[in-house]
Parts: sequence; C-alpha cells; structure tokens
Amino acid sequence: ETGVTQSPTHLIKTRGQQVTLRCSSQSGHNTVSWYQQALGQGPQFIFQYYREEENGRGNFPPRFSGLQFPNYSSELNVNALELDDSALYLCASSLVGEKETQYFGPGTRLLVL
Amino acid sequence: AQTVTQSQPEMSVQEAETVTLSCTYDTSENNYYLFWYKQPPSRQMILVIRQEAYKQQNATENRFSVNFQKAAKSFSLKISDSQLGDTAMYFCAFVWARQLTFGSGTQLTVLP
Repeated sequence: ETGVTQSPTHLIKTRGQQVTLRCSSQSGHNTVSWYQQALGQGPQFIFQYYREEENGRGNFPPRFSGLQFPNYSSELNVNALELDDSALYLCASSLVGEKETQYFGPGTRLLVL
Repeated sequence: AQTVTQSQPEMSVQEAETVTLSCTYDTSENNYYLFWYKQPPSRQMILVIRQEAYKQQNATENRFSVNFQKAAKSFSLKISDSQLGDTAMYFCAFVWARQLTFGSGTQLTVLP
C-alpha cells in the first residue's frame, strides 16, 4: 500500500463530456503528479502540482487541467473528451527532498465512447 | 529531452532462476534518479528499486539489483530467484525536475 488513493476506479463517458478524477496523496506529500497510460504503453506525464501551483506540464492540451488542495488531495479535469482520452489515469505523490521518489495510486480507468 | 528505451517487449524465466531486464536512457543532465517500477495485472504501479546517479554503488533490494553504467547510460534490473508473483510489466523510469519519463515496458512472465 502506497497511501495514495484514487476515485473512481472505473468511469465511462461519451465524447464531448467533461470528467473529474480525484486523488488523495500520501500524508505529508506536497507534490502530486498525474500520468496517462494508454493500453500497452508506459505512462505519459500530464502535469505536476507543488503547493497548489502547477509545477510542470507534459505535452497535453489545455483541456487537461488540475487542482491541488491544502489537504493533499487533487483533481484532474478533462474537458471535451475525445475517444483517444480512453486510458488509465495514474496519480503519484512525492515529498520534495525524498530522492524524487513517486508513489502511485491504483489508477482510474476511463473509457470514452 | 530525456528518453528511456526498453528493447525487450517480452521475457520469460523459469521459477527460481535469474533474469535481467535491459534499459537505456538519454539525458544531458548529470544529477538524476533512475527507477524500476512493476505493474502487475492489478495495474498498481509499484516501486521496485531506485538508483541515484551520483552514487557509483549499484542499488540492491532483496532479490532485485541493478547494474548502473552511467557512462553507457544503461540501467538493467536483475531479478534473482524469480517467483510467480514477479510476473508483471516492468517499467524503467528516469526522473529529473520531478518529472518521470517511462520506457515502454517489458512484460515478464515467470513460468512454474
């Protein structure tokens, strides 16, 4: 157990809709990162939040956005869903100074129809 | 930009034997960290082992060890005494500025 939880575990949406995925980080971890993992591929970095501010972003469009809250929880929002957004979304938390080690949650599997 | 390459999409090993998974990476940075994660069918990404680039000594965690060759930018994972529970997808990952870059993964199957 990593202490990182995600909800929901599975989600089905239709193209054009909006979705919010949630993550609860390990206690004391001040950094949260989100990754998208398409089937059969390695995770791709979406963005990272540190102390409630975006602290880095991968090659994802602005319709992917996020929030981090003072209680270590965070959200990933995706607007105008596309079929290619179907993937496993992973949240990972880390503590600055702990040798860059990220601990992952179990993921949310999103299917866009 | 950092890249990570895993050239073995699939591997298999007999239970109790030893297997080595390969990984190479490309970076112009000097201080960074490397990781191996495993992802079993449950999809939970689990940290296996971590290596700090400024340390010459290879990291070891029980049955798992790495062969870190900084000049060659190589970071292989050796699993000794393989167990059925080691069956999983293994990802090599590089982190710099807190961003993880993953390889494409190696599916390891441990055969009884």
